[in-house]
Amino acid sequence: EAQVTQNPRYLITVTGKKLTVTCSQNMNHEYMSWYRQDPGLGLRQIYYSMNVEVTDKGDVPEGYKVSRKEKRNFPLILESPSPNQTSLYFCASSSTGMGTEAFFGQGTRLTVV
Amino acid sequence: KNQVEQSPQSLIILEGKNCTLQCNYTVSPFSNLRWYKQDTGRGPVSLTIMTFSENTKSNGRYTATLDADTKQSSLHITASQLSDSASYICVVSANGNYQLIWGAGTKLIIKP
Repeated sequence: EAQVTQNPRYLITVTGKKLTVTCSQNMNHEYMSWYRQDPGLGLRQIYYSMNVEVTDKGDVPEGYKVSRKEKRNFPLILESPSPNQTSLYFCASSSTGMGTEAFFGQGTRLTVV
Repeated sequence: KNQVEQSPQSLIILEGKNCTLQCNYTVSPFSNLRWYKQDTGRGPVSLTIMTFSENTKSNGRYTATLDADTKQSSLHITASQLSDSASYICVVSANGNYQLIWGAGTKLIIKP
C-alpha cells in the first residue's frame, strides 16, 4: 500500500531537548516536504527536498533542520525545541511532475512544555 | 504576495443538502489549483487538481470549478453526508516551483 509514515504520532517534550520526527515513503517519490499546521492558519511549509541530498527552506524554517540521505526518508530535527514549536506536523511526498498529487502522513502532534 | 483566501471560515448544513465553498487567490504565475479534504487531526487528502485550462472537475459528489480570469475557484458538494464533515482546503501552486500556497480552509459540519 502506498503511504507516507510518520513517527511518533504524539510527542510531549521539554524545552531544549533535541528530538527527531521520522518520515518515510514507499512510493519512490523524489519530492518530500514538511509542514506545520496551527489553528486558524493554513499549512506552512518548513523545509522541502527535491531529491537525495537536496534540501531547501520553506516559509518557516527557523528552529528546524532536515536531512535527505536516502530517497525514502526525510526526518525533521528540532535541535532545541521551544513552546512556539508546539504544533501539528505533516510530512508529504510527491513525484516531481507538475500537478501531481501530494500524499500526506498521518501527522505528528508535538507539545513542547 | 501570493495568497489564498477561503470563505466561509466555517459552515453548518443539514445532511442531504448541497453547499458551495469559495476560494480566491492571488498567486502568480499560476500552475494548478487543488482542493483537499482534511479530517480532524489527519493528513489532507486530495479531491481535485485543476490546471489553467480546466474549468470544472468532478470527483463523485464533489465538483470544483476554476475561473482563471477572476482567480476564483469553488467546491460544490452535492447531497452532503455526515462523512463530509471536515476541513476543505484550497491550495494553489505557482509555475516552475513546488511551493504550495495553502488557504486556511473551510470547516464544514454536516448535521443529521
